[in-house]
Order: sequence, then C-alpha cells, then structure tokens
Amino acid sequence: QQQVKQSPQSLIVQKGGISIINCAYENTAFDYFPWYQQFPGKGPALLIAIRPDVSEKKEGRFTISFNKSAKQFSLHIMDSQPGDSATYFCAAPYEYGNKLVFGAGTILRVKS
Amino acid sequence: GAGVSQSPRYKVAKRGQDVALRCDPISGHVSLFWYQQALGQGPEFLTYFQNEAQLDKSGLPSDRFFAERPEGSVSTLKIQRTQQEDSAVYLCASLRTSGVLGEQFFGPGTRLTVL
Repeated sequence: QQQVKQSPQSLIVQKGGISIINCAYENTAFDYFPWYQQFPGKGPALLIAIRPDVSEKKEGRFTISFNKSAKQFSLHIMDSQPGDSATYFCAAPYEYGNKLVFGAGTILRVKS
Repeated sequence: GAGVSQSPRYKVAKRGQDVALRCDPISGHVSLFWYQQALGQGPEFLTYFQNEAQLDKSGLPSDRFFAERPEGSVSTLKIQRTQQEDSAVYLCASLRTSGVLGEQFFGPGTRLTVL
C-alpha cells in the first residue's frame, strides 16, 4: 500500500500562533520524510526533511516530529507569519526509493 | 538558468490533440521526475528517469502518456489524443543524485487545459 494521509485539509492560524499539520503513512521504502511548501502558481519547494535516526528535527521556526511506531510525522510552524500562508505537502518514499508519494495538502492561512 | 524550467507555462488543447511538454532540469542533475497535480491535490508521480534511463513509469495513467529523456538532460512528456481528464498542472522535478533521497527541485509547471 502506498498512502500518505494528511490532515487537516485547511488551517487558519493567528499571527504568532503555532501551525500543526499531520501525516500518516503506510510501509515505506525507507525512512525519509520531506515537507514541501507551495505558493500559488509555483512549483513545490522543499521546506524541511527528516531521516529519523532522531525523533525530531528543527530548522528555525519549523520542526518535524516523527513517531515511527505510529507511522506518523508532523510539521510544526512556530510563531506563524502571514508569509507562511501557502499549501504544505508531506511525502514519503516508495518503490525502492524511486518514487515520492505526496499527501493531499494543507492550505495554511495566517491571519495578521 | 539556476532552476528547473518548463515550457510552455500554459497549454490549451482541443480534445484529441497531441501535446508535448518540455522540462529543462538543473544542469548535472541525475534524477528527473514528472508529476501530475490536479486542482487542490498533491503532486502525483508519473515517471522517473535516472540519466537517460526511465526506471519507473508506473504512474503514467494510460498508454497515451509517453516520456523521454534521450540525452539524460532535457525531458519531454507527450500526451496523445488528449482527454478532458488530462487537464492538470504537470510538474517536473530534478535531483542531483539518484533516487528520491534529497531535495527535489521543482519547475513552475505547465498548466494543461483540454477543451
């Protein structure tokens, strides 16, 4: 099975608040979980990724938390800013590492 | 240029026409991926090239879809006899090494509308 289930579908957060997006996955080719950010009319761009020999990775305001036993990982955006308003996709690798399967996306809106 | 480029950016086709979408990856990138992104959805994998070799085409929806990368750089996605359900944004991405481990750099996409 190759599925990545992402929630919520959309999210509204006040400026300065915490945005949390969750993903659940089926058995993957290996442990590598990226998050991509997409603005309207643009292609997705890598935001942060984890190869979880650790359960958490932090880069600036962005943190990935990983729970291997539950097959879940999440993105936390601290001190959310209006410029963070975009669509966020999680992804996981399948097919011997030749293929990324993306979640359906979360539309984040940060209100100023 | 420094990034992945795609052309055309927009394509309108009448049902039944053939279309060709071009992707110029970042120079020297080994891996190249094509994705289809329907409105409000995540990118869906179509096919993967490692240099000129097409290692995975399991995501191509039908035999009307064909992709090539003959010299291991520029790639073309061809759709024959387009149907309305082919309307979507087609994204190309390249990666410096083989496989999916690492940053895929996406182009801006080609928005295909089939009337």
